[in-house]
Amino acid sequence: DAGVTQSPTHLIKTRGQQVTLRCSPKSGHDTVSWYQQALGQGPQFIFQYYEEEERQRGNFPDRFSGHQFPNYSSELNVNALLLGDSALYLCASSLWDRGAGELFFGEGSRLTVL
Amino acid sequence: DAKTTQPNSMESNEEEPVHLPCNHSTISGTDYIHWYRQLPSQGPEYVIHGLTSNVNNRMASLAIAEDRKSSTLILHRATLRDAAVYYCIPSFGNEKLTFGTGTRLTIIP
Repeated sequence: DAGVTQSPTHLIKTRGQQVTLRCSPKSGHDTVSWYQQALGQGPQFIFQYYEEEERQRGNFPDRFSGHQFPNYSSELNVNALLLGDSALYLCASSLWDRGAGELFFGEGSRLTVL
Repeated sequence: DAKTTQPNSMESNEEEPVHLPCNHSTISGTDYIHWYRQLPSQGPEYVIHGLTSNVNNRMASLAIAEDRKSSTLILHRATLRDAAVYYCIPSFGNEKLTFGTGTRLTIIP
């Protein structure tokens, strides 16, 4: 049973560029959340998708956007990259009906902005 | 979001029990208490969660104070693989999880 898979695992971009990160949830899960983790900090919530709609959003600018597909996979897009966007981006999946009690996280995509 | 307070770091000897405390004095009556851990170079991993009663699973036990303003995660017999950052997170339903800085647990062989 595959867990949460994320791609790419590492990437380097320059300021002003755009990036797309991808996530496949654990089999059977229908809800995907995205988190940003800066070095030495705990993960910070970006947004959550369920039924292809953004259900909750954290304190992140509109440069951060996402999408959920009918197969429950998800993408995170970041436009106009800033140096401060360098971080580990984590995807987590869960079952909507079970609440956030047991999120399954991927290993993350590490983004470096130069 | 309920504010949580955890020690920045703790050390424990291998094969001994570990008690990781968390204060969450502003927790609401419907918030569950979740514990996650993050091993080096990995995403967070769910450990356990509970509402009022103490909870046990194959990984750990969760002891919740009667007034719910604090809880303790108990690892019964620490191994080197338990070295990680442990996060205590009050949350309800599908609310986002708000991670603090957690407790960095070091296991001494």
